[in-house]
Amino acid sequence: DTGVSQDPRHKITKRGQNVTFRCDPISEHNRLYWYRQTLGQGPEFLTYFQNEAQLEKSRLLSDRFSAERPKGSFSTLEIQRTEQGDSAMYLCASSLAQTTNTGELFFGEGSRLTVL
Amino acid sequence: GQQVMQIPQYQHVQEGEDFTTYCNSSTTLSNIQWYKQRPGGHPVFLIQLVKSGEVKKQKRLTFQFGEAKKNSSLHITATQTTDVGTYFCAGPSGSGNTGKLIFGQGTTLQVKP
Repeated sequence: DTGVSQDPRHKITKRGQNVTFRCDPISEHNRLYWYRQTLGQGPEFLTYFQNEAQLEKSRLLSDRFSAERPKGSFSTLEIQRTEQGDSAMYLCASSLAQTTNTGELFFGEGSRLTVL
Repeated sequence: GQQVMQIPQYQHVQEGEDFTTYCNSSTTLSNIQWYKQRPGGHPVFLIQLVKSGEVKKQKRLTFQFGEAKKNSSLHITATQTTDVGTYFCAGPSGSGNTGKLIFGQGTTLQVKP
């Protein structure tokens, strides 16, 4: 399978703990995105990378969230000191950005976080 | 900030009936994308529209981009149970090549057989 893969698929943690999610994009894609989705809502933008550079980060993202893409391939999203409000599906997507537009996003299956 | 809104939020139809969802942006868009998310699944790209007034068809699905490039619609003719899911529109924030896509809240379609 050469799609976007995410790990773990499910994570249950206690409030205050740190969690890390991993995303492996489609290999030739230069852009990688993190979105968050809660029930009944559309995906909410968190951040995106072009190769290894983090180009934009949502102002909604608190300092407890950090994302990296060290070699321009896989990415990690870490949430420190989790809160119950962090419970959501964390979606990773990748695309092959062109000069004139973003290109279609290919989403992974997501990592579902439950904070108790 | 830029907002993308969709109506209706939910739609229940009898199989064979038509369905339309509408998408409105608070700002002019360079392009608009549509995605479908099946229950328990992840969003899957359907189409991208770029030109003002553009109309594209995919079998029973017809997508339109408004003349002012601030609104779009998705129309499904003669719905089938396989059409069940949530349909999202998404537009870029700022210039057309930004990676930041703003998604609408989606329209969830239920089809009664």
